[in-house]
Amino acid sequence: QQQVKQSPQSLIVQKGGISIINCAYENTAFDYFPWYQQFPGKGPALLIAIRPDVSEKKEGRFTISFNKSAKQFSLHIMDSQPGDSATYFCAASTSDNYGQNFVFGPGTRLSVLP
Amino acid sequence: EAQVTQNPRYLITVTGKKLTVTCSQNMNHEYMSWYRQDPGLGLRQIYYSMNVEVTDKGDVPEGYKVSRKEKRNFPLILESPSPNQTSLYFCASSPAGDEQFFGPGTRLTVL
Repeated sequence: QQQVKQSPQSLIVQKGGISIINCAYENTAFDYFPWYQQFPGKGPALLIAIRPDVSEKKEGRFTISFNKSAKQFSLHIMDSQPGDSATYFCAASTSDNYGQNFVFGPGTRLSVLP
Repeated sequence: EAQVTQNPRYLITVTGKKLTVTCSQNMNHEYMSWYRQDPGLGLRQIYYSMNVEVTDKGDVPEGYKVSRKEKRNFPLILESPSPNQTSLYFCASSPAGDEQFFGPGTRLTVL
């Protein structure tokens, strides 16, 4: 019930195309859903995040779509650029009296071809 | 510069030899966490903390200990490392439990 599933495992798109990564969860107690971007040799960095009271959030070329009833959320990267080539992780979290428990998906390696 | 630092960045050790990976943040963040990253498994949370002396187990705590005696520091302790703890470790901090700021990582090899 703590698992977050993510697909695809890898994705290749042409420059200017749309990249779509999907995630699904089971635990309805999750209340925060971030996406992290990681470049080789670096720690992950927050890209965009959403809470379950909204169905969509857009920041520049990046959009999260959230479907609470289906327990799914996705990341859309519009006008994908070679600089977007990285590994993307979705995550979900709950809060308790000790802090915040995060569960991450296994990651999607995105390659944007010039 | 606001940052999360980890030391050492690379470590090769042998089974059973106690080690500590330090984590320090200079942003006065309340929340801190430790993760391990393994190929195909993403990041898995080991321990998390909301403040000094307030810690709890994440999804993979076996074989690890933490302490939070100061707000800025959150060391990860491996009392008796085993080869299955060979991994890339990340420390993270957060001001309010949302956006996490990750350190540069510590690559640990246990022979």
